[in-house]
Amino acid sequence: GDSVTQMEGPVTLSEEAFLTINCTYTATGYPSLFWYVQYPGEGLQLLLKATKADDKGSNKGFEATYRKETTSFHLEKGSVQVSDSAVYFCALRKAGTALIFGKGTTLSVSS
Amino acid sequence: EAQVTQNPRYLITVTGKKLTVTCSQNMNHEYMSWYRQDPGLGLRQIYYSMNVEVTDKGDVPEGYKVSRKEKRNFPLILESPSPNQTSLYFCASRTGTSGSSSYEQYFGPGTRLTVT
Repeated sequence: GDSVTQMEGPVTLSEEAFLTINCTYTATGYPSLFWYVQYPGEGLQLLLKATKADDKGSNKGFEATYRKETTSFHLEKGSVQVSDSAVYFCALRKAGTALIFGKGTTLSVSS
Repeated sequence: EAQVTQNPRYLITVTGKKLTVTCSQNMNHEYMSWYRQDPGLGLRQIYYSMNVEVTDKGDVPEGYKVSRKEKRNFPLILESPSPNQTSLYFCASRTGTSGSSSYEQYFGPGTRLTVT
């Protein structure tokens, strides 16, 4: 069945460092891909999405490109801030089906 | 403000004592669902509803019930809670029951349940 695999965490970075969180997926058809973020004590919020191959989603300085040839949707940010500390979830969904989540990656940024 | 609300936010209960976690959305969304979040396992879907009076099992439905009598509400019922249901629960909603896969899903703030 369809699945999402994320890099294991936690990821620990200093402020202003470059961030990459790897995400690969397995799916038939043409899923949409998402990154959700969960700040401490809160629910999940949509960070960005891409709906077809080569689309780039971006928001709050984060970017991810839908790569069908490598079945990947890696999350990147050029310069992280302490306020970016959170759990990040990669997810996919096909029309008419439920969101399928990766296990989440915890990011901790120190000043 | 568009939102999904859950109550209670925190609950400690004992094995076997029936409980209900409420979920309500104000966005007129057709689709609603419940997830549980456990360390190392991510989010797993418990039940979902495509519309009023239409519900179906997700990946981990055992020990849970749901109902969808009104479009805005989707309560999660644990008739006889057990310690393995200790978890963080999220309700979510979105528009569009079919067609596009790109609709955003909105999540509630979570309910932390402990069953002793």
